[in-house]
Amino acid sequence: QVQLVQSGAEVKKPGSSVKVSCKASGGTLSSYTISWVRQAPGQGLEWMGRIIPILGIANYAQKFQGRVTITADKSTSIAYMELSSLRSEDTAVYYCARGPLDYWGQGTLVTVSS
Amino acid sequence: DIVMTQTPLSLSVTPGQPASISCKSSQSLLHSDGKTYLYWYLQKPGQSPQLLIYEVSSRFSGVPDRFSGSGSGTDFTLKISRVEPEDVGIYYCMQARHLPWTFGQGTKVEIK
Repeated sequence: QVQLVQSGAEVKKPGSSVKVSCKASGGTLSSYTISWVRQAPGQGLEWMGRIIPILGIANYAQKFQGRVTITADKSTSIAYMELSSLRSEDTAVYYCARGPLDYWGQGTLVTVSS
Repeated sequence: DIVMTQTPLSLSVTPGQPASISCKSSQSLLHSDGKTYLYWYLQKPGQSPQLLIYEVSSRFSGVPDRFSGSGSGTDFTLKISRVEPEDVGIYYCMQARHLPWTFGQGTKVEIK
């Protein structure tokens, strides 16, 4: 059974960065892509980008280009999403999900507030 | 970016009755490999989204057979043959044919 376990909630100041982790168990990270999807309070789902761990290639939504970096450590089966230059509008729950989003992490609430 | 348009945006259904959600994409989701990359997810209150249907019509592991997907090209439908109380939540379609992957706005399903 594949499980994706994410790091805990974060509170950040505007202008700072946040790095969220996603550990895969029950399967190797190398075999699948890992996407990051966010959901602002009361809003829908927004795909941010993905990484193909076996190739080390990442694709990002244009909206986040230049501010988001998605990486993966195959040896530890952990994927990371780092978002920089945070603003209040980045307050959201951030999810990691495998492949065609068949398995999801539990979500990480990131609050951006001064 | 591909725009995914869902209708209706909300649905109130009597248990045991059918329900249907439409999803239209601004471009074809058919790939040259013959697959159509259209997915359906359900987000139950307070939970992470869960995959229901992949590649238009294939039910994901453990999904009850009252859920079915159909469509082609740019027009897709999710049907619930008999709505159960545990089916409440927000349903999203998503396309993974073109980068960036994009979601529909969501359809909120509640029980009457």
